[in-house]
Amino acid sequence: NAGVTQTPKFRILKIGQSMTLQCAQDMNHNYMYWYRQDPGMGLKLIYYSVGAGITDKGEVPNGYNVSRSTTEDFPLRLELAAPSQTSVYFCASSPSRTGGNQPQHFGDGTRLSIL
Amino acid sequence: KQEVTQIPAALSVPEGENLVLNCSFTDSAIYNLQWFRQDPGKGLTSLLLIQSSQREQTSGRLNASLDKSSGRSTLYIAASQPGDSATYLCAVPDQAGTALIFGKGTTLSVSS
Repeated sequence: NAGVTQTPKFRILKIGQSMTLQCAQDMNHNYMYWYRQDPGMGLKLIYYSVGAGITDKGEVPNGYNVSRSTTEDFPLRLELAAPSQTSVYFCASSPSRTGGNQPQHFGDGTRLSIL
Repeated sequence: KQEVTQIPAALSVPEGENLVLNCSFTDSAIYNLQWFRQDPGKGLTSLLLIQSSQREQTSGRLNASLDKSSGRSTLYIAASQPGDSATYLCAVPDQAGTALIFGKGTTLSVSS
């Protein structure tokens, strides 16, 4: 079982560049999430989606965009990368809403440095 | 606003010890509480999910308890092993049941 797959695993960007972090899941989960994890801090939600075509902002959405054209894929786009976006990005999915009885499944993360 | 705190931030124990990791949350109106394990350079792996109506959940050597009224959860690890070395995170859903709110984690080191 592949679960949640994130690509790339590592990336270095220059300030002002753009990139898309890819996330795909093969569990047919409706709910998908993007979190960022900064050193010594808890994970914070950037965006989430409750199904294809439906996305919404989380706690820290500024500087990011998402789309959800299929159930499987939930890419995260960084426009005009800034040093403050240096972080580890995690994608997660779940079959039910967060307040339900099913845990979220996480990918291995993308480690992004903006220089 | 819900806040999740984990104490201690780091813990070192010799192999074989039983240990307890603590998690506290400020708003007791939670849907559930989840414990995750994170290995260096890896993603999060779900260990246990306790529904708000439950008092505890067990999986192998792991036992998680939940006391909503006091805003506390504990993760008990029995007979610790070097392979248990990792960061353990607890998380609760936000009020809307949308996002998980995470603590900063407890980094456990078990020496052989």
